[in-house]
Order: sequence, then structure tokens, then C-alpha cells
Amino acid sequence: NAGVTQTPKFRVLKTGQSMTLLCAQDMNHEYMYWYRQDPGMGLRLIHYSVGEGTTAKGEVPDGYNVSRLKKQNFLLGLESAAPSQTSVYFCASSYLGSQPQHFGDGTRLSIL
Amino acid sequence: DAKTTQPTSMDCAEGRAANLPCNHSTISGNEYVYWYRQIHSQGPQYIIHGLKNNETNEMASLIITEDRKSSTLILPHATLRDTAVYYCIVRPGGGDAGNMLTFGGGTRLMVKP
Repeated sequence: NAGVTQTPKFRVLKTGQSMTLLCAQDMNHEYMYWYRQDPGMGLRLIHYSVGEGTTAKGEVPDGYNVSRLKKQNFLLGLESAAPSQTSVYFCASSYLGSQPQHFGDGTRLSIL
Repeated sequence: DAKTTQPTSMDCAEGRAANLPCNHSTISGNEYVYWYRQIHSQGPQYIIHGLKNNETNEMASLIITEDRKSSTLILPHATLRDTAVYYCIVRPGGGDAGNMLTFGGGTRLMVKP
């Protein structure tokens, strides 16, 4: 049972490049989330999804887009990467919104 | 949402109980207390949560005061692998607002041999 898997684990981009981060969960969870964590700080919610085909904005959504075409996958896109988006990105999932969230091990993204 | 206050750091001797306090004096009646921890370079790990009764699972115990304004996470026999940042989070029990986990600074617990 893999739980929540994030790919890639590391990536370096140049300013202006685009990329997509993939999150996959095998627990049949309805809810999925994307967070970012900057050095020495707690996690901040970027976007979340309450089910296949739905997405909603979190605390810091600007500069990011998401899609949930399949229940098990939640994609986070950066259309034009900026140095301020250098961070560690965590994906999480939960069976319901009120249930504990299960996290992946993160994607470390550096934008030069 | 209610905010939480935790000590920045704590030390604990290996094999002893680690007691991590959290103040949440503005907690509302429908808000739960959640605890997560983050071991260096890993994703946060759920530990335990509760509403008003004390809770225990295989990882820890959660003691919530009767007025619900504070709580304590207890790791009964701390090991070196328990060294991590521990986050106390208050969140509503349901609805869209319950989806968001608001992570503060947490408590950095150092378990020493």
C-alpha cells in the first residue's frame, strides 16, 4: 500500500518555465490537497479538491492551477515559474474533509 | 478559526514521557484539536485528534482540559525517532472550512539519549 505518492521528488526550473507536479493516492480518498512549505514555516494550503472533477482555492492559490480528472490523481501546475515559488510542495488526501489527512513525502522545487 | 500557541522547542530524555502543551483559548464548540508531526524532510504525519474527551492510540495520548482551552500531547516513552516538529491544529469538524489545516510554527521536540 503506497499511500500518497508524489512525483518528481526534486526539480530545478528556470524562471518562466512551466511544469506539473503529480500526486497519486491509492486509498480511494475523496479529498486531496496541495500545500507548500517555505523554510522554517508551517504548511500553507494552495488548492484542494473534494472529489473527481472539482477543485477549490486555498490560502495561497495565485500562480498555480490544479486538475482532478481522476479520483486518484491531483495535479498541480505552474504555468510560468517564479523564484518566489521555490518551496517544498506536499500533497495530502483524506477520506472526507473532516478525516485526518495523509501526506506524501514532498517535491522539492527550486526556481532560478 | 481558533489559533494555537505552542512552545518553540522542548527537550526530552529517551525513554521518558514527552508532554507537549498547546493553548487554544479561542476554540469553538465544534472545533477539534489535531496533532501532526513532521520528521525532518518528510511529510507531516497524523498522530491523534479529539473534541473534548481524552483520546489514546498506539502513538500517543491527548489530554484536553475541561474548558477545552488547552491540551497536552503525551508520548509515553519517547525514542530518538520521535525527534520532530509537532503541530497542534484546531479545525472545524465539517464543511469546507474543515478541509484546511492551518499549520503554525509547532514545537521542535528533541529527544536526547
